[in-house]
Amino acid sequence: AQKVTQAQTEISVVEKEDVTLDCVYETRDTTYYLFWYKQPPSGELVFLIRRNSFDEQNEISGRYSWNFQKSTSSFNFTITASQVVDSAVYFCALSEAWGNAGKSTFGDGTTLTVKP
Amino acid sequence: DVKVTQSSRYLVKRTGEKVFLECVQDMDHENMFWYRQDPGLGLRLIYFSYDVKMKEKGDIPEGYSVSREKKERFSLILESASTNQTSMYLCASSDSTSGTNEKLFFGSGTQLSVL
Repeated sequence: AQKVTQAQTEISVVEKEDVTLDCVYETRDTTYYLFWYKQPPSGELVFLIRRNSFDEQNEISGRYSWNFQKSTSSFNFTITASQVVDSAVYFCALSEAWGNAGKSTFGDGTTLTVKP
Repeated sequence: DVKVTQSSRYLVKRTGEKVFLECVQDMDHENMFWYRQDPGLGLRLIYFSYDVKMKEKGDIPEGYSVSREKKERFSLILESASTNQTSMYLCASSDSTSGTNEKLFFGSGTQLSVL
């Protein structure tokens, strides 16, 4: 069975601090996909990134970066120089390779609060 | 701008009522999904559909049914609402023409309270 653990339930930082959201997963599959979604107060989850298990390169997109380490089954998300607009619930999700992202196993989410 | 639209943002119903939650997407996506989101439990899949008139049970289908008569519309039905169905309901869609595991597009959610 697949499992995604986001051990940090809530994180609070002050604006401009860097913050890392942890995601640890369990799967017996050798090929799989990992996702991160952001849910701002408006409620609509927004896709941030998709990563195939074969691709262990780290990804950077502006202030966002992702560190995928297959050896430790982790896919951590770092926000550099956080801003108030980054305040949201962030979900990590895991999907089997030949499946559908809609059937992903989601973590419980991490609530990030960025204070001015 | 592509969109998944859920008909109500907030809904209050009484125990035993039949409740319809509507979801419409304008992206011509084949796949549509209904989740419920509860604090500390993440997102749990209720039902999904890969095509018109097709439906499959997710992880927690008990107490729910769905309808997909048109490609763009996926309805979640609570036949007889109960208080333990008070939750945030999220609809999502995805494209399948580009391959597997395409990203999900979500609606803004419906916060349902059953009294």
